[in-house]
Amino acid sequence: AQSVAQPEDQVNVAEGNPLTVKCTYSVSGNPYLFWYVQYPNRGLQFLLKYITGDNLVKGSYGFEAEFNKSQTSFHLKKPSALVSDSALYFCAVSAIQGGKLIFGQGTELSVKP
Amino acid sequence: EAGVTQSPTHLIKTRGQQATLRCSPISGHTSVYWYQQALGLGLQFLLWYDEGEERNRGNFPPRFSGRQFPNYSSELNVNALELEDSALYLCASLGEDYGYTFGSGTRLTVV
Repeated sequence: AQSVAQPEDQVNVAEGNPLTVKCTYSVSGNPYLFWYVQYPNRGLQFLLKYITGDNLVKGSYGFEAEFNKSQTSFHLKKPSALVSDSALYFCAVSAIQGGKLIFGQGTELSVKP
Repeated sequence: EAGVTQSPTHLIKTRGQQATLRCSPISGHTSVYWYQQALGLGLQFLLWYDEGEERNRGNFPPRFSGRQFPNYSSELNVNALELEDSALYLCASLGEDYGYTFGSGTRLTVV
C-alpha cells in the first residue's frame, strides 16, 4: 500500500530565509510524486511533480523538490521565503501513472516578516 | 483553457438527506477523481472514474457513489447524510502530462 508522511505539522520561517517542507513516501515500484499548496477555503494548486528523469524538479513560484530514491524522500524547498508563501502544503504519491493520489497530512507553512 | 469546475460551491443539507455534487473536468481530460477533505482527517481518496467506468474506490461506505457521463463530467452522490460527512469535496482531472488539476471544491455542511 502506498503512503506519505509529512513529519512536521507546522514550519515557521522568516521572510527571505530558505524553507524546506519534508515528505517521505512508501510505494511499491516507481513513485509518481507531487506537491500542492492550499490557501484557506480554496482548492489545491499544483506546484510541481516528479514522474521520471532529473531528480531535481523545478516548479511554480520558485519552488523546487529533490527526489531521493534511497531515502524515499521528496522534500520541497525554496531559496528565499515570502510572506505570501504562507499556506498549507501537501505532498502526494501515486503508485501508477494516472492512478489515485495518496496525500500526506499536510504541513502548515508560516512565513513571518 | 477553463479549469476544473465544481458546483455548487456551498451546499447545506439536513442529516438523512441526499447530496449531489458535480464536476466538469478540463476539456479533453477523461479521468476524474474525487477526494474528501474533512477537518482533522486530511485529504482522503473517494472515487476514480475514467472513460465512464469506476476504476478505484477509497475506503468509504456504499452510500458514497458516483458516475461519469459521456462528456466526462462527473457526479458524486452521498445518500443518508451524516454529520461527519461535512467536508470540502474536491474533484481533479488528469492531463496528458500526468498532472492532476483540482477544482475549488464544494463545501458540504450537514446539519
